[in-house]
Amino acid sequence: RKEVEQDPGPFNVPEGATVAFNCTYSNSASQSFFWYRQDCRKEPKLLMSVYSSGNEDGRFTAQLNRASQYISLLIRDSKLSDSATYLCVVNSNAGNMLTFGGGTRLMVKP
Amino acid sequence: DTGVSQNPRHKITKRGQNVTFRCDPISEHNRLYWYRQTLGQGPEFLTYFQNEAQLEKSRLLSDRFSAERPKGSFSTLEIQRTEQGDSAMYLCASSHRGLPAQETQYFGPGTRLLVL
Repeated sequence: RKEVEQDPGPFNVPEGATVAFNCTYSNSASQSFFWYRQDCRKEPKLLMSVYSSGNEDGRFTAQLNRASQYISLLIRDSKLSDSATYLCVVNSNAGNMLTFGGGTRLMVKP
Repeated sequence: DTGVSQNPRHKITKRGQNVTFRCDPISEHNRLYWYRQTLGQGPEFLTYFQNEAQLEKSRLLSDRFSAERPKGSFSTLEIQRTEQGDSAMYLCASSHRGLPAQETQYFGPGTRLLVL
């Protein structure tokens, strides 16, 4: 079993739709959590950190459930430019290595 | 451009050859990481430096792989006797030491390796 699991998708949604991605992690000692965005053939870029209380950045909302070891990302009012792969990322307790999920691909259509 | 830079951006080599990649981190960052990403997968951690000290190495880093950061600035990743399974994108990231939840790793554009 992978340490960080995501549905690979693709999620095909129309512009303006709301879409949610989920992620589970297996290391209960994990300390910090992130969503990264990766465009095709580009490097990953930090989208947002995920805090226990939940946090919002514009159209993006991230939630963390430590008891269920579950992380989510909600995108409201999808734009064409949101089309990308969204990577769920966990910073394990052992050192500073980031553990990435396999990514969820989002395609927003006109 | 003051981001993380990597050279070369692309490398094609024949099986059995040695290759070396370079990463220049963001100048004030004291931590540097190497990851490997294959098609359809997320990046996988290889190794990490704090200043010039290599503090952690993944099981993925076989004895054919060696990484250095001799002066605590740029880093090199060498793969000896390349195999076709080494074909991947090699990503470098850097960060400034801080609390785990606040420490952002910034990635370079990667070096795409193809072993024929």
